[in-house]
Amino acid sequence: DTEVTQTPKHLVMGMTNKKSLKCEQHMGHRAMYWYKQKAKKPPELMFVYSYEKLSINESVPSRFSPECPNSSLLNLHLHALQPEDSALYLCASSPEGAPGANVLTFGAGSRLTVL
Amino acid sequence: LAKTTQPISMDSYEGQEVNITCSHNNIATNDYITWYQQFPSQGPRFIIQGYKTKVTNEVASLFIPADRKSSTLSLPRVSLSDTAVYYCLVGDRGGGFKTIFGAGTRLFVKA
Repeated sequence: DTEVTQTPKHLVMGMTNKKSLKCEQHMGHRAMYWYKQKAKKPPELMFVYSYEKLSINESVPSRFSPECPNSSLLNLHLHALQPEDSALYLCASSPEGAPGANVLTFGAGSRLTVL
Repeated sequence: LAKTTQPISMDSYEGQEVNITCSHNNIATNDYITWYQQFPSQGPRFIIQGYKTKVTNEVASLFIPADRKSSTLSLPRVSLSDTAVYYCLVGDRGGGFKTIFGAGTRLFVKA
């Protein structure tokens, strides 16, 4: 299996909702990432789990909460989001937690719309 | 923090060779150079990675001069399906947040 699977593909939520995005890989990779991508912009790194240890981009607001139940699964919990959080959320994995030196395998993304 | 600069867009015709250059003037000794391709509403896909000189795989070549301040992705004989955004990424084995995607180059391949 050489894929990263993300669910759901599309999500529409109100600003008071709580929802979660899910990501799964079975390549034995020990690092998993959440990226946010706005239209016609490059992906921006939000969170890194390397060997299940979390690193946070300090600019990401607390309404985004990552969770890594095990080395194959990654969740992104969403609460009280704003319309400007509407974007494509990409999950990626790599053998180790260094996206510069390791090859990233991305999922197809979850398209989030916040109303 | 290695900042990258790429052309915003490029046009080409089917069957031509396309070269996309990425500038990374402050690349560090331990940094690698990686290129990704992205189609609309999909995640980026790995194309090629290199450290110095030339690397070739089944889909592309990567040319890196001795000073490593730039790199060129070469796509031989492009087809319509190569229309996509191409990102250059520079980073090392250190912390992930030092590795930032550049703005990307939108390649349009015409018939």
